[in-house]
Amino acid sequence: DTGVSQNPRHKITKRGQNVTFRCDPISEHNRLYWYRQTLGQGPEFLTYFQNEAQLEKSRLLSDRFSAERPKGSFSTLEIQRTEQGDSAMYLCASSLGTSTGELFFGEGSRLTVL
Amino acid sequence: AQSVTQLGSHVSVSEGALVLLRCNYSSSVPPYLFWYVQYPNQGLQLLLKYTTGATLVKGINGFEAEFKKSETSFHLTKPSAHMSDAAEYFCAVSEEGYQKVTFGIGTKLQVIP
Repeated sequence: DTGVSQNPRHKITKRGQNVTFRCDPISEHNRLYWYRQTLGQGPEFLTYFQNEAQLEKSRLLSDRFSAERPKGSFSTLEIQRTEQGDSAMYLCASSLGTSTGELFFGEGSRLTVL
Repeated sequence: AQSVTQLGSHVSVSEGALVLLRCNYSSSVPPYLFWYVQYPNQGLQLLLKYTTGATLVKGINGFEAEFKKSETSFHLTKPSAHMSDAAEYFCAVSEEGYQKVTFGIGTKLQVIP
């Protein structure tokens, strides 16, 4: 069990550029979540997949954000035309389909938009 | 809509003293409740959870929490703080059949030697 893996761990970009984050969940987990965490706040839900199906998206996820999980394994979160307000820690978590909400988190990908 | 409120964004205790971190929840149906801990430069990890059954839940590292429906609370306690308990603690709520987990803003625990 290698845990949830996220990369890159840190990304610094200029405003207007596109960035993509990757998440590799625990292999037998069929649910995958993306959260965003800013300083002084708890994780805020962005979106959730069951296998390859994206089942829910937060209103926080503007049109510039897109997430995919093409084969029900790894997932990508892309942010287009980044803005300074996108600077945050992006957290990925996975869980088993039969669990009662227990999430296993990666260490996060920190985005800084200059 | 489900939500949690954590009272006190920063809590300081002396080593060996009681730790009490407060959490109140709002849920339209019986909730599932969680405490997660985040150590510096690490991902969140589950400390303990309440789903059904016994209202006093024991977790890792000597922590426990009690589900009180009448008070809509799920406070986290530990009888004696250790330096290694210094971390940020997040209360979270979800509902049966609904996979979204909603987190509080977190409480940063400082342990003073």
